[in-house]
Amino acid sequence: GAVVSQHPSWVICKSGTSVKIECRSLDFQATTMFWYRQFPKQSLMLMATSNEGSKATYEQGVEKDKFLINHASLTLSTLTVTSAHPEDSSFYICSADYVGSLPGNTIYFGEGSWLTVV
Amino acid sequence: AQSVAQPEDQVNVAEGNPLTVKCTYSVSGNPYLFWYVQYPNRGLQFLLKYITGDNLVKGSYGFEAEFNKSQTSFHLKKPSALVSDSALYFCAVRGPNAGNNRKLIWGLGTSLAVNP
Repeated sequence: GAVVSQHPSWVICKSGTSVKIECRSLDFQATTMFWYRQFPKQSLMLMATSNEGSKATYEQGVEKDKFLINHASLTLSTLTVTSAHPEDSSFYICSADYVGSLPGNTIYFGEGSWLTVV
Repeated sequence: AQSVAQPEDQVNVAEGNPLTVKCTYSVSGNPYLFWYVQYPNRGLQFLLKYITGDNLVKGSYGFEAEFNKSQTSFHLKKPSALVSDSALYFCAVRGPNAGNNRKLIWGLGTSLAVNP
């Protein structure tokens, strides 16, 4: 299957600072990338849908000024958690969809990034 | 509205026994159904999907799933469970008119524990 890389895998930051998480599609061009948040032993919560070259579409209840998403190229999307607080500590996962994808095409996921805010 | 239900939070089976992880869905039109597995502290791995055709779909690691349109179900199965199958399993659906966003609608996940 296609490869999606996420970096960093683990990050610890101080409260009030910002942290950036990268999501790269390594062997295909991704028109669309999805960012999810997952709490321990819980389901995925879609945060936003990121389309290359345009503004991200945020899900209801997700603060767009706090979770900045940039999708500047067909292989890279970034999530920046601004002014992080301990409650932002979570597992963040990205996924990517092919250019020209059909509804039945598979979406591939990165390995996730653990964020701990202290 | 589209939805996915995984009625069991946890499934326990003995190694070597068959396993079933249940999933039912609600979508307008023909569904596109997916199963993913998540091991601890890892991202999601694709297992299998149903698009059209044969109702029995075979996927990775010996898993299979049967699409049942009348019961709107897509249960995940494996004839003989392994301890290494212990993980979190997610069912997802996408309707035929997903639009540009192509969002998947996710179930809440089922934790599978295979006991030696």
